[in-house]
Amino acid sequence: AQSVTQLDSHVSVSEGTPVLLRCNYSSSYSPSLFWYVQHPNKGLQLLLKYTSAATLVKGINGFEAEFKKSETSFHLTKPSAHMSDAAEYFCVVSVETGGSYIPTFGRGTSLIVHP
Amino acid sequence: DSGVTQTPKHLITATGQRVTLRCSPRSGDLSVYWYQQSLDQGLQFLIQYYNGEERAKGNILERFSAQQFPDLHSELNLSSLELGDSALYFCASSVRDRDHNEQFFGPGTRLTVL
Repeated sequence: AQSVTQLDSHVSVSEGTPVLLRCNYSSSYSPSLFWYVQHPNKGLQLLLKYTSAATLVKGINGFEAEFKKSETSFHLTKPSAHMSDAAEYFCVVSVETGGSYIPTFGRGTSLIVHP
Repeated sequence: DSGVTQTPKHLITATGQRVTLRCSPRSGDLSVYWYQQSLDQGLQFLIQYYNGEERAKGNILERFSAQQFPDLHSELNLSSLELGDSALYFCASSVRDRDHNEQFFGPGTRLTVL
């Protein structure tokens, strides 16, 4: 079985300050891990993904995440927040099960960016 | 714009009714996924089709069914609707099915059951 926990339902930062969105996962097998972003009234967009290559993954819009197996974490960071980063962020774990990859989504973290 | 289209954008119906949600994947994508997003349950994977065949099942109720047609568009059928079925339903598509490649999400269909 697999699960993912996003440790904060809301994160509030000021524009120009660093962003940290936390994600812990649980998986019986080697997982693939992802971060998606959802802007209001939009579908989800992939930010970045980890699939057992480099543990530090760079994504779009300046975001990156580090896979730490010992801590079962995959936290998302960005050095400097922009107003346009305000959105809902989802951490996803996906493990092969019988030839298929079934994704499990976290409950989401709402990022609020203050001017 | 992801290239995935969903119709209708909004749907309002009554309990006990049946509705059909439609999804057209990106050109060239063979795999289609359906998700339900609600305040109670968050984002839940429902079902996946690949090139017309069911590939994986998630938390899909027996009252719900889906299919993928030869032209690769997909429909999600929801029957005997209940108030709790009110949610945002997303469709996503990807090129393959055997690894977790990027999924491209449509804008969603918001279903309201009164």
